[in-house]
Amino acid sequence: KQEVTQIPAALSVPEGENLVLNCSFTDSAIYNLQWFRQDPGKGLTSLLLIQSSQREQTSGRLNASLDKSSGRSTLYIAASQPGDSATYLCAVSGNTGKLIFGQGTTLQVKP
Amino acid sequence: GAGVSQSPSNKVTEKGKDVELRCDPISGHTALYWYRQSLGQGLEFLIYFQGNSAPDKSGLPSDRFSAERTGGSVSTLTIQRTQQEDSAVYLCASSLVTRGEQFFGPGTRLTVL
Repeated sequence: KQEVTQIPAALSVPEGENLVLNCSFTDSAIYNLQWFRQDPGKGLTSLLLIQSSQREQTSGRLNASLDKSSGRSTLYIAASQPGDSATYLCAVSGNTGKLIFGQGTTLQVKP
Repeated sequence: GAGVSQSPSNKVTEKGKDVELRCDPISGHTALYWYRQSLGQGLEFLIYFQGNSAPDKSGLPSDRFSAERTGGSVSTLTIQRTQQEDSAVYLCASSLVTRGEQFFGPGTRLTVL
């Protein structure tokens, strides 16, 4: 059974810092991995999708990497801003596309 | 363009009542997913529709839960005889194709008293 773990559960940093969020999964037979952010009381916003054949994806200040064989992904956020404060969720999908989620990392960026 | 929409945004019901939650996916998206987010369980998959294929119902927690997707577009999740443990945020997502990037709606917060 696929399990997804995110470390740390919570993170507080001063504005401007670069930071890394970690995601690990137990079964390397994934089809893709998706990173989301969730603001309090809101739905999920897709940030990046990495196909299993890819090593990384970039969008603006965000960079996500995938090491499928070791069951790991990282989300790198450059020059963090208070507006980046949210919960970040990692999810992997298998053949049917249904997502298995981690518990999330709650990020606070202090001005 | 319009994203995934869900209604109602909030629903408060009494234990034992039936509820219907609605999802309008992004136009043209063939795959539609329902998930549930609760404090104790995190985000968990419920059911998946792809085109005219039989839905994957493997995540439904009990036979009180059912869903349908009419005309390959709008979907309705029905919970019969609601229980307090059904209280959660129900999220709908759609993707252009199976295993594609999923886009989520704002969710329906269900509270069972």
